Amino acid sequence: QVQLQESGPGLVKASETLSLSCTVSGGSVSSDSCHWNWIRQPPGKGLEWIGYIDYSGSTRYNPSLKSRVTISVDTSKNQFSLKLTSVTAADTAVYHCARSLYYFDSNDYYVSELFDHWGQGTLVTVSS
Amino acid sequence: DIQLTQSPSFLSASAGDRVTITCRASQDISSYLAWFQQKPGKAPKLLIYAASTLQSGVPSSFSGSGSGTEFTLTISSLQPEDFATYYCQQLSSYPRTFGPGTKVDIK
Repeated sequence: QVQLQESGPGLVKASETLSLSCTVSGGSVSSDSCHWNWIRQPPGKGLEWIGYIDYSGSTRYNPSLKSRVTISVDTSKNQFSLKLTSVTAADTAVYHCARSLYYFDSNDYYVSELFDHWGQGTLVTVSS
Repeated sequence: DIQLTQSPSFLSASAGDRVTITCRASQDISSYLAWFQQKPGKAPKLLIYAASTLQSGVPSSFSGSGSGTEFTLTISSLQPEDFATYYCQQLSSYPRTFGPGTKVDIK
């Protein structure tokens, strides 16, 4: 069973850089059929997809955050990480890491991407 | 970006009730829609993908339908453990986006 666990500081000062890691167990970040995602959820609000990285290190980011986001992968530790620069109070949120995979049916026909395993999430508060 | 709206935003129901939640997309997303259940302090749990396919291990009381721009999630008989917030997500284009959520509360 794939499990993901976020780790990192729970408090970050405004204008500084938020850094989180996600450790994967029961699966490999080197898998070529998966994307490794970050999603955040401000307290009491909805979900926002931040971006993903794949096994080759290719990334894709939400344009709303692209200028401030970097996602990287460390295959030796089976981890992937998030850096968000120049944070403000608006970046206060629970940050989840999640695996997604592209699902094909028995005829090799693409069905959909599935966000099937998520970490519990870690609350990061930006203080002034 | 593709915008998703959900209705209602809040729903009060009793155990045993049949519940339907609607998700509308701002443009055609074919069947690239998923539904999640989230309980307080927990990660979202995938219920349905490709608009109508039940994820492994999810009770058959959950079902999804729709394509294009209008989708529904139905719970045929609400159980105590089903009281939660439900989100739709589109997987047609980037950035991936989620609906604002529907909270299902106990009447």
